[in-house]
Amino acid sequence: AQKVTQAQTEISVVEKEDVTLDCVYETRDTTYYLFWYKQPPSGELVFLIRRNSFDEQNEISGRYSWNFQKSTSSFNFTITASQVVDSAVYFCALKGSGNTPLVFGKGTRLSVIA
Amino acid sequence: NAGVTQTPKFQVLKTGQSMTLQCAQDMNHNSMYWYRQDPGMGLRLIYYSASEGTTDKGEVPNGYNVSRLNKREFSLRLESAAPSQTSVYFCASIWSADSNQPQHFGDGTRLSIL
Repeated sequence: AQKVTQAQTEISVVEKEDVTLDCVYETRDTTYYLFWYKQPPSGELVFLIRRNSFDEQNEISGRYSWNFQKSTSSFNFTITASQVVDSAVYFCALKGSGNTPLVFGKGTRLSVIA
Repeated sequence: NAGVTQTPKFQVLKTGQSMTLQCAQDMNHNSMYWYRQDPGMGLRLIYYSASEGTTDKGEVPNGYNVSRLNKREFSLRLESAAPSQTSVYFCASIWSADSNQPQHFGDGTRLSIL
């Protein structure tokens, strides 16, 4: 069975601080895909990134970076120099191979205080 | 640029009433999904339709029925609403159930059952 654990329920930081959101996953599939979504206060789900299991390169996009480590089954998300607009709920999700549905973690609520 | 459209956006029901949530996508996607989001629980899959003419149960199917009306539309029905079904419901679609691409989400339906 697929499982995603986001142990941090809520995080609060002061603007300009760096923050890392943790994601640990479980799967028996050798091919799988990991995703991060952002849900701002307006409620919609915004796709941020997808990572394939066979590509362990870290990725940076502006202030966002992702660290994928198969050895620890983790796919962590770091926001550098956080801003108030980063305040949202962030979800990590896992899709196994074939038709297996997407499985979401419970989410981490990030509050960035000015 | 409609993408995935959900109707209605908000609804209040009394216990025991029935209701159908509508979802339509204009991206010619084969697979469609219904999720519910509850505080602290992330998104949980209710039902999905990998292709037109097929439906499968997800993690939390009890109390719901679905209909894949055609390739574009996938409806979710509550036959006898219960307060435990108060939630935000998201519909999503993707080209294929085995795709590694991110799902496209609607804006959600906020349902309250009194």
